[in-house]
Amino acid sequence: SQQGEEDPQALSIQEGENATMNCSYKTSINNLQWYRQNSGRGLVHLILIRSNEREKHSGRLRVTLDTSKKSSSLLITASRAADTASYFCATDNSGNTPLVFGKGTRLSVIA
Amino acid sequence: AAGVIQSPRHLIKEKRETATLKCYPIPRHDTVYWYQQGPGQDPQFLISFYEKMQSDKGSIPDRFSAQQFSDYHSELNMSSLELGDSALYFCASSRFRTSGGNEQFFGPGTRLTVL
Repeated sequence: SQQGEEDPQALSIQEGENATMNCSYKTSINNLQWYRQNSGRGLVHLILIRSNEREKHSGRLRVTLDTSKKSSSLLITASRAADTASYFCATDNSGNTPLVFGKGTRLSVIA
Repeated sequence: AAGVIQSPRHLIKEKRETATLKCYPIPRHDTVYWYQQGPGQDPQFLISFYEKMQSDKGSIPDRFSAQQFSDYHSELNMSSLELGDSALYFCASSRFRTSGGNEQFFGPGTRLTVL
């Protein structure tokens, strides 16, 4: 069953701009993770944020988590053409359980 | 660093045939997960194994079965294939942590096409 939605479903920006993607989920979570997927390829783990964390940074990535609103956002700063991909959020409800994915945002960064 | 290995990378089968997909997790990872991703869809969980025992079951059809072996590799067996089984099949692995982190690392996937 689908955990939640991501918005926007598609986002097109110019190189150098920032990209923000949002994810909402329905049930309580233990962790929320963001993954990137190039067309038809594997899922690359980007960042994990735990339910007791509110913000996390990794390079040009910034993730926020608002458990009261059951939502998360992924910000990519200074985007590059190579950031073009689909981005998925995924949640789990304990330390060793399956991930439930959102529907993904397709990001296009135009050079 | 070693990653999750899946084989084969591509597989073409006819309807009603069988297929076996293999997954080799990252060394020292004790949990393996299988996911299915249809065209334009998000990945859907099928089944997982922790320390060679089935731990969770998702939307896996009865025609599919899986197991994890003593060397921690896992195989997904698919029988009576249907056109709708055409998808990317991902294996992911993780190492159980009492601290609660659950980073799952995905393999490159097997693209199954059923004709």
